[in-house]
Amino acid sequence: DTGVSQDPRHKITKRGQNVTFRCDPISEHNRLYWYRQTLGQGPEFLTYFQNEAQLEKSRLLSDRFSAERPKGSFSTLEIQRTEQGDSAMYLCASSEVAGVETQYFGPGTRLLVL
Amino acid sequence: AQSVTQLDSQVPVFEEAPVELRCNYSSSVSVYLFWYVQYPNQGLQLLLKYLSGSTLVKGINGFEAEFNKSQTSFHLRKPSVHISDTAEYFCAVENTGFQKLVFGTGTRLLVSP
Repeated sequence: DTGVSQDPRHKITKRGQNVTFRCDPISEHNRLYWYRQTLGQGPEFLTYFQNEAQLEKSRLLSDRFSAERPKGSFSTLEIQRTEQGDSAMYLCASSEVAGVETQYFGPGTRLLVL
Repeated sequence: AQSVTQLDSQVPVFEEAPVELRCNYSSSVSVYLFWYVQYPNQGLQLLLKYLSGSTLVKGINGFEAEFNKSQTSFHLRKPSVHISDTAEYFCAVENTGFQKLVFGTGTRLLVSP
């Protein structure tokens, strides 16, 4: 296993621009999660997929956020009309589907909105 | 709703000393408990987890944690720390039947020579 990968690792954008992040989970992991971590805080759950189905979305995920996992493999997280408050580390994790399985985290994408 | 409290935002300790990082949780249902470590500019790595069974859980890098249901705690311990243990440590809870982790705010462990 090569682990969970995320791209890009860093993104600087201007307020109002759209950004898209990609997450590639560990192969054969059916579940994929997105979390957001702001400075000095623990990660907060945003959403998760089982295969291609998005099964839960947090209230943190405003209408400007959309996540997809079209073929049940990689996932994208798009933020439209970015705001300075969107500046954070966006973490992706994946796990198998079998009871309580460990979530394996990627290195994260650090977003800075100017 | 469940929540996790890590009362110590920062714990300074000398190398080779023992350390305990505290974690308390609240939940109205059964939970699974986790400790993750985060090194600078990296993602989270699982240290250990409690699902059921023995309340003393051993993890990687010499860490262990004890689940105490009556005190709703899951404190992390290491008998002798190394400089390389300097990192942020997060306690997390997952309600049985739900898939998302709820994290505490983290404890920064600072190990000095």
